[in-house]
Amino acid sequence: DTEVTQTPKHLVMGMTNKKSLKCEQHMGHRAMYWYKQKAKKPPELMFVYSYEKLSINESVPSRFSPECPNSSLLNLHLHALQPEDSALYLCASSQDTSRLAKNIQYFGAGTRLSVL
Amino acid sequence: AQTVTQSQPEMSVQEAETVTLSCTYDTSESDYYLFWYKQPPSRQMILVIRQEAYKQQNATENRFSVNFQKAAKSFSLKISDSQLGDAAMYFCAYRSPGNQFYFGTGTSLTVIP
Repeated sequence: DTEVTQTPKHLVMGMTNKKSLKCEQHMGHRAMYWYKQKAKKPPELMFVYSYEKLSINESVPSRFSPECPNSSLLNLHLHALQPEDSALYLCASSQDTSRLAKNIQYFGAGTRLSVL
Repeated sequence: AQTVTQSQPEMSVQEAETVTLSCTYDTSESDYYLFWYKQPPSRQMILVIRQEAYKQQNATENRFSVNFQKAAKSFSLKISDSQLGDAAMYFCAYRSPGNQFYFGTGTSLTVIP
């Protein structure tokens, strides 16, 4: 099973709303990632969690708040977003953050977020 | 900083023909990994093939193969016997020793029936 599951698939929210994106994997991976992808652009790394601890924050605005409640689950809490935050948000996981050859990142299908 | 360049924003290929997608990268590291990911309209990024920098032999996965030129920092993807299901956005990616991924800007591949 190489599945990373993201919910919801689509989300529309107003600028004053609070919402959360969810990502789940059951591959025993200890590293999980959030990426933001604009149309026809490559994914841009936002956060990296390693063993449930935040290890990388790529200078993401505080209106995005990640959370890793356990090794299988990764959330992204959204609050007071701007229309320019509309994008596809991808979650990925890998065995860990080491240099192992088999340390491939597996991606979910993403959440398409629209901020009105 | 690592950069990954894909100079072909769009490519097209006739079904059953062969197409090559280009990728160059910049790094000062000697031990790293390179990947090609495919993103179809369904949006999910799917690993196509990977190459370890310390291996001289080019990776091959069925109809997909790479031409890895380490000195030139080039990593092209060849798709043989193209199929309609190969139509997608293809991203070249560099994985640093710290396991951070850097993606190229992508190449949109159209397969013509």
